[in-house]
Amino acid sequence: GAGVSQTPSNKVTEKGKYVELRCDPISGHTALYWYRQSLGQGPEFLIYFQGTGAADDSGLPNDRFFAVRPEGSVSTLKIQRTERGDSAVYLCASSLNRAGEQFFGPGTRLTVL
Amino acid sequence: GENVEQHPSTLSVQEGDSAVIKCTYSDSASNYFPWYKQELGKGPQLIIDIRSNVGEKKDQRIAVTLNKTAKHFSLHITETQPEDSAVYFCAARTGEGAQKLVFGQGTRLTINP
Repeated sequence: GAGVSQTPSNKVTEKGKYVELRCDPISGHTALYWYRQSLGQGPEFLIYFQGTGAADDSGLPNDRFFAVRPEGSVSTLKIQRTERGDSAVYLCASSLNRAGEQFFGPGTRLTVL
Repeated sequence: GENVEQHPSTLSVQEGDSAVIKCTYSDSASNYFPWYKQELGKGPQLIIDIRSNVGEKKDQRIAVTLNKTAKHFSLHITETQPEDSAVYFCAARTGEGAQKLVFGQGTRLTINP
């Protein structure tokens, strides 16, 4: 079946701009996660949704980062006033429920010039 | 919070030999330990996982062992093949209420033909 999909696969933007990254989880998965992966590092947790609500946003680095999941399926990660340090691969994962295995998408590579 | 350390950072083995990657974790409440394989330009792929009520789990050429007392777990790959070359990440998830995965720094495994 279809896995987790993320769009765009690559995003290049200029410092100070606003970007949106989209995640389509596996159909029927109630839990959705965003992680950020810098070059040569493991993924770092950003935010976790159970259904439509953000159950844990403790990993968001600052208030420039925001994520939504209005209908409990697709999620959008929004970054305002991008900075060069935001450049990374943003990964989305979903799981059937809160205790299930997390399946990752291919990621969006964000480059802030 | 949880901290996961992974060793070695790079590992090179001859095709057909075994490879072992080790991780330690800090939070004794962690109860789920997945291993992911990441190929260049792709998202992490779950290859095996273990829960804290089990000491060992095997799936064909891959096995994971868990020592809860020492707070460490290991990935064992036997009869390595060139397609096993990738970056491997261990991760840990704490118990109820904390669904995020905390990842190790990764191990770049190279299988030499």
